[in-house]
Amino acid sequence: SQQGEEDPQALSIQEGENATMNCSYKTSINNLQWYRQNSGRGLVHLILIRSNEREKHSGRLRVTLDTSKKSSSLLITASRAADTASYFCATRGNTPLVFGKGTRLSVIA
Amino acid sequence: EAQVTQNPRYLITVTGKKLTVTCSQNMNHEYMSWYRQDPGLGLRQIYYSMNVEVTDKGDVPEGYKVSRKEKRNFPLILESPSPNQTSLYFCASSLIAGELFFGEGSRLTVL
Repeated sequence: SQQGEEDPQALSIQEGENATMNCSYKTSINNLQWYRQNSGRGLVHLILIRSNEREKHSGRLRVTLDTSKKSSSLLITASRAADTASYFCATRGNTPLVFGKGTRLSVIA
Repeated sequence: EAQVTQNPRYLITVTGKKLTVTCSQNMNHEYMSWYRQDPGLGLRQIYYSMNVEVTDKGDVPEGYKVSRKEKRNFPLILESPSPNQTSLYFCASSLIAGELFFGEGSRLTVL
């Protein structure tokens, strides 16, 4: 099944810095979604970008999508300690939503 | 409040003792799904349902059963649990092709 693969697996930054996470996938998609998970809790939807969109913003989040490279990036600007979490991309094509293994982000105050 | 509710949240059981994890959503979503999350393996889909009486296997369906008799409920059944089913389980729901809403998770330990 198609699967998003996040990169890096883990990222540690200082508060106030920007955090960038990448996602690559293998087959054509209808949309790509990013989710956040605080330790052991349920995932929370952050943002959805459709296959005909190239960039989308939501607050401090910026998502880009390059369908020619089958990749997406999630940028969190001016990070805060509360942004510490795991971030997952998920792709939806003709099959149900499929998740990657996530990027573990640590923001150090 | 819109939510997906799973029960139990924590369960320790023994090999072979049948158990059911319930999942209920109050958003009138057509789509519901079960995932398991294991360290280093991310979220893997067990079963999903596109609507009442319609269920399909995900990536790791072995050892699990589901049913969708009502739109709001999607229970996960482990007929004969084994230790390799020790995991953190999530139920989620959505409109078709929409964002997923997740429950808080059910941590299952099979001894």
